[in-house]
Amino acid sequence: SQQGEEDPQALSIQEGENATMNCSYKTSINNLQWYRQNSGRGLVHLILIRSNEREKHSGRLRVTLDTSKKSSSLLITASRAADTASYFCATGLNQAGTALIFGKGTTLSVSS
Amino acid sequence: GAVVSQHPSWVICKSGTSVKIECRSLDFQATTMFWYRQFPKQSLMLMATSNEGSKATYEQGVEKDKFLINHASLTLSTLTVTSAHPEDSSFYICSASAGKGQPQHFGDGTRLSIL
Repeated sequence: SQQGEEDPQALSIQEGENATMNCSYKTSINNLQWYRQNSGRGLVHLILIRSNEREKHSGRLRVTLDTSKKSSSLLITASRAADTASYFCATGLNQAGTALIFGKGTTLSVSS
Repeated sequence: GAVVSQHPSWVICKSGTSVKIECRSLDFQATTMFWYRQFPKQSLMLMATSNEGSKATYEQGVEKDKFLINHASLTLSTLTVTSAHPEDSSFYICSASAGKGQPQHFGDGTRLSIL
C-alpha cells in the first residue's frame, strides 16, 4: 500500500521561480528520499534525509523533514525548464536496503 | 557511479508469450534488487524484493508463478513475465541497492506492451 502522499499533484511555474512540493506519510520511518522521474524514464535519486535530520541541502534542492507531523517538503530554487518532471517521495522503513514505499508524485512543469 | 542498466527498454509481443527483463548493476554489487510496476500517471508499486542467492519476496497480490524473479549474481536480476496477457502491459522498473543505508538506484524501465 502507498505510504506517502504528495501535494500538490501538479504544479506549473515559470523559470526562475521556486517550486515547493510536500509529502506526508503514515508510519514511522528510518529515512525519506526524494526522486525525480522524467517522462517514460526511470527514477533519479535526489536526496535522502534520515529521521534524525530536520533539513538537508543539495545544490538548488532543500529538503525538510518533520517527523512529528510525518511530513517532508522539497524546495527547488531558481527552477529551470529542465526541472520539468514528476517528483516522488519515498519512505524507507529500515536501513537494510529495504523496499521503498512511494507516494503518488507531483508533476512539475517549468515553462521558459 | 551507481549505474543500473535495464534491458530491453521497450518490448511488444503477442499474448501468451513470455518476456524476460534484465536488470544489471554496472559498477557496484547489488545485494538487493527490487522490481516495481508503474501504470500511466501513477506511482511505482513494489512487486517483489530479491536478494542475491535467495528466493524473492513478493508483495501481496503479486503472482509468483506469473512474475518469475531470479537474482543469481550480485549484478544481475531478471524478471520473467510468463504467459503475458494485455493486462500485464505496463512500465516495469528495477532498482538496486548496494546495502545497508545505501540509496536505491533505478534502471530506465521497460515498457511492455502485450497485443
